[in-house]
Amino acid sequence: DSGVTQTPKHLITATGQRVTLRCSPRSGDLSVYWYQQSLDQGLQFLIQYYNGEERAKGNILERFSAQQFPDLHSELNLSSLELGDSALYFCASSVAPQGPGELFFGEGSRLTVL
Amino acid sequence: GQQVMQIPQYQHVQEGEDFTTYCNSSTTLSNIQWYKQRPGGHPVFLIQLVKSGEVKKQKRLTFQFGEAKKNSSLHITATQTTDVGTYFCALYTGNQFYFGTGTSLTVIP
Repeated sequence: DSGVTQTPKHLITATGQRVTLRCSPRSGDLSVYWYQQSLDQGLQFLIQYYNGEERAKGNILERFSAQQFPDLHSELNLSSLELGDSALYFCASSVAPQGPGELFFGEGSRLTVL
Repeated sequence: GQQVMQIPQYQHVQEGEDFTTYCNSSTTLSNIQWYKQRPGGHPVFLIQLVKSGEVKKQKRLTFQFGEAKKNSSLHITATQTTDVGTYFCALYTGNQFYFGTGTSLTVIP
């Protein structure tokens, strides 16, 4: 158990819809990273937050947004969903504001868009 | 963006054989990390290398950072079925962790 909690574990929705994925980092970790992993693909970095502030942005689509709340949990919002958005979305946390500290990954949220 | 090439993409070995995966960068790295993702699981941190030529061992796993700090390798001696999974290298630069494409290891009993 990494200490990082992600909900929901599975989500099935239709194209055009909007979903919110939630992540609670390990106790004491201020950094939260979001990654997308498509079938047989690597981990694509989406966005990082540190203590409520956006710290780095990767190849995140404009239809996607995220935020980190005062209690340090984070949410990833995916809107106008397309079939290609079907993937496993991982949240990871780290104690460091910047790397290269160890990343602790949650178990992921598997999104299926039909 | 940062290019991180990892080879091979897939590797099938007989149990007891050795296995090596390589990670190559187009630029000099300050550090590199390795993660393992079991089938259906999430990535788990294995190790971090920061020094040129550094070699670290964890039981049957040997991690190496190249002298020029542009490449790294993970070697598993005498693979076991518990070694099955995908091994990723990851480097940190520009406030981002870039993950390699991963090497999927299958161990045949």
